[in-house]
Amino acid sequence: QVQLVGSGGGVVRPGKPLRLSCTPSGFSFSDYALHWVRQAPGKGPEWLSVISHDGSNKLYADSVKGRFTISRDNSKNMLYLQMNSLTGDDTAIYYCARGANTGWFFDHWGRGTLVTVSS
Amino acid sequence: DVVVTQTPLSLSVTPGQPASISCRSSQSLLHGDGKTYLYWYVQKAGQPPQLLLQEVFIRFSGVPDRFSGSGSGTDFTLTISRVEAEDVGVYYCMQSVQLPWTFGQGTKVEIK
Repeated sequence: QVQLVGSGGGVVRPGKPLRLSCTPSGFSFSDYALHWVRQAPGKGPEWLSVISHDGSNKLYADSVKGRFTISRDNSKNMLYLQMNSLTGDDTAIYYCARGANTGWFFDHWGRGTLVTVSS
Repeated sequence: DVVVTQTPLSLSVTPGQPASISCRSSQSLLHGDGKTYLYWYVQKAGQPPQLLLQEVFIRFSGVPDRFSGSGSGTDFTLTISRVEAEDVGVYYCMQSVQLPWTFGQGTKVEIK
């Protein structure tokens, strides 16, 4: 059974950094691209970033480019999102999601982790 | 960015009755490879979104056949043939023909 569990969220002050983690299970981690998607309170999901199966390619949404960094450690089966220069607009539930191998979509989403940026 | 617009934003349905949600994109979701990159997700309370349909009409594993999708180009529809109580949630369409992948605002489906 495919599972992804996000962690590392919490309350953080504006301008401070935070690193999120995603722990997958139930599939061959190194065979799949992985994404981060966030959802602000009462809003629809917003795609943030994708990393290829081997970590060689990374893409970002304009809203986080230059502030967020996606990475993965295939030896540890872990996905990360380093978030810097946080503002109130970054307050959201952050989800990791698996990219399907058969197309351009998310086939499984993880349990999200809440990030609240507040002074 | 491709803008995706859903209507209605909320829907109250009697169990056993049909329901339809419309999704319109600001540009065609038909790719040069012949695929149409339009997907439907449902988000139930307190859960992450889960995939219902891929490439307009292909039901994901385990999705009941009362869910169907149609449309082409820029106009798409999700239809639930006979709504059940477990179908309560917020439904999102998503396009992935172009980065960034973008979602509609969501349609909240409630039971009367």
